[in-house]
Amino acid sequence: TQLLEQSPQFLSIQEGENLTVYCNSSSVFSSLQWYRQEPGEGPVLLVTVVTGGEVKKLKRLTFQFGDARKDSSLHITAAQTGDTGLYLCAGPRVGSQGNLIFGKGTKLSVKP
Amino acid sequence: DARVTQTPRHKVTEMGQEVTMRCQPILGHNTVFWYRQTMMQGLELLAYFRNRAPLDDSGMPKDRFSAEMPDATLATLKIQPSEPRDSAVYFCASGNSNYGYTFGSGTRLTVV
Repeated sequence: TQLLEQSPQFLSIQEGENLTVYCNSSSVFSSLQWYRQEPGEGPVLLVTVVTGGEVKKLKRLTFQFGDARKDSSLHITAAQTGDTGLYLCAGPRVGSQGNLIFGKGTKLSVKP
Repeated sequence: DARVTQTPRHKVTEMGQEVTMRCQPILGHNTVFWYRQTMMQGLELLAYFRNRAPLDDSGMPKDRFSAEMPDATLATLKIQPSEPRDSAVYFCASGNSNYGYTFGSGTRLTVV
């Protein structure tokens, strides 16, 4: 069974701090995606990583896909209150003809 | 920006009543998904369609849930009869697993 485990489950930091959240699996994924979900809204896609070892940057957010394609991390530099939300990782389910499985997410709170 | 539109945004109903949730996917997206989100389970896939044909509804309790896509602009999820344990946020999304999904804003269902 493919599972994506995210850690930490909750994270509360002050504005300006750096943080890293993790997404791990014992299974290999062809790609992984990161979403951010704000209260009362649906998840919004941030990035897709497809190559083992790949690093993608989106302003202050850095995403890395593990060499073995079993894990990924999201690093935020100088967090802002606008970064507050639920961060979800997701990957294609093997043999599913295209649906995603999701981790349970990391709930980030950035305080001013 | 293209959006996935879900109605209603909120629904409170009594146990035993029928509930219908509607979704207008993004034009041109050939895959449509229904997910349910709870604090305990996170995002769970209920059903999905490709080119309007159901591909997988194994995540749905079939005795009470049904999902249909009568045309390319409308997907529906029905619960009959509803139960308190169905209380959750229901999301529709369209897209594909390689490039990510666009989620709607969800229907928050409360069954009392």
